[in-house]
Amino acid sequence: SAVISQKPSRDICQRGTSLTIQCQVDSQVTMMFWYRQQPGQSLTLIATANQGSEATYESGFVIDKFPISRPNLTFSTLTVSNMSPEDSSIYLCSARGEANTEAFFGQGTRLTVV
Amino acid sequence: AQRVTQPEKLLSVFKGAPVELKCNYSYSGSPELFWYVQYSRQRLQLLLRHISRESIKGFTADLNKGETSFHLKKPFAQEEDSAMYYCALSTGGFKTIFGAGTRLFVKA
Repeated sequence: SAVISQKPSRDICQRGTSLTIQCQVDSQVTMMFWYRQQPGQSLTLIATANQGSEATYESGFVIDKFPISRPNLTFSTLTVSNMSPEDSSIYLCSARGEANTEAFFGQGTRLTVV
Repeated sequence: AQRVTQPEKLLSVFKGAPVELKCNYSYSGSPELFWYVQYSRQRLQLLLRHISRESIKGFTADLNKGETSFHLKKPFAQEEDSAMYYCALSTGGFKTIFGAGTRLFVKA
């Protein structure tokens, strides 16, 4: 199993600013992912964080808006850039050790943009 | 296209009644299906996966490839089962796609 820690757990930000969310896993994992969960909605995959290379983004998400880093097998960051109120959401970090195994989740970062 | 559909946003049952949370999927490959649960103030966690064919907390789910369904069932609901349930599809081995979720409310 893996324990995932995210920080900050919540933040209130001014529009036009950027926020970086950190995700730390307590063991080496193969894959890390970032999801967004808007109020009353399901989880939407933003991107797969690739170790040592550029993240793989899903349709509708771009690197300029959501730059992602993954410098090693246990750590990743997601930046929400040039924020607007529409970016208000819960952002979740997830990790998997092997294909088709259980995915583990962080507790989420609740972001409010005012 | 890969898709997971959970038709019910909210399901309310009485304690002791049977529960069935519906899930249908669309995927051209060989699917790996999961049910995740999120209890109040807790993080999302795995409930069960089809490949294990096990019962967790009294819940079972059978993959029906003909109907492309993976419904979650429990014969007798308990109040502590109240939570948000997500059906999920793993594609290509690693990426996970989630359904919209069903909120189960078990009344005393």
